[in-house]
Amino acid sequence: AQSVSQHNHHVILSEAASLELGCNYSYGGTVNLFWYVQYPGQHLQLLLKYFSGDPLVKGIKGFEAEFIKSKFSFNLRKPSVQWSDTAEYFCAVYSGGYQKVTFGTGTKLQVIP
Amino acid sequence: SAVISQKPSRDICQRGTSLTIQCQVDSQVTMMFWYRQQPGQSLTLIATANQGSEATYESGFVIDKFPISRPNLTFSTLTVSNMSPEDSSIYLCSGGGTEAFFGQGTRLTVV
Repeated sequence: AQSVSQHNHHVILSEAASLELGCNYSYGGTVNLFWYVQYPGQHLQLLLKYFSGDPLVKGIKGFEAEFIKSKFSFNLRKPSVQWSDTAEYFCAVYSGGYQKVTFGTGTKLQVIP
Repeated sequence: SAVISQKPSRDICQRGTSLTIQCQVDSQVTMMFWYRQQPGQSLTLIATANQGSEATYESGFVIDKFPISRPNLTFSTLTVSNMSPEDSSIYLCSGGGTEAFFGQGTRLTVV
């Protein structure tokens, strides 16, 4: 089965701190990988995605993620977080074998001014 | 990516009643998906709605409880039937295949 694990459920950081959120997936075939963000009271928005090519993917708002195939990982990073980054972050994977998007359990990020 | 309009955005319903949620996409999409996001939890796929065929339900979800229609490539509905307080959740539709784009969600409260 296709599954996604996000190891950090709740992360608290001070502004300007660096961020790394872990994401691992289980499917062994070709996958497309995503990070979505959900700001309080809002709907999901796509932060970035990986389909193929350069494993280092840059997204909106200064976020980036690195696909490491050997580790089945797609960790999200940001060098310096801002208070406005307070949100919940979801890693997701799509595979042609399952033809559906599976989401991780989400990580709540709280940035303290 | 495409834009999905989902309505209603929120509703408060009496137990035992049904609510139908609509999603309209501004372009044709082959696959549409319906998710539930219970308080404090991630998104759980309810079913995949394909035009011209019956929806495919995930384990734990049944057609009698969550009937889905997909009359064309730009529209789908999800009905939450015979509601109970446990159905209080956010329901989201999404479109696409290799990438998901989402509606605004419907925040349902059952009292």
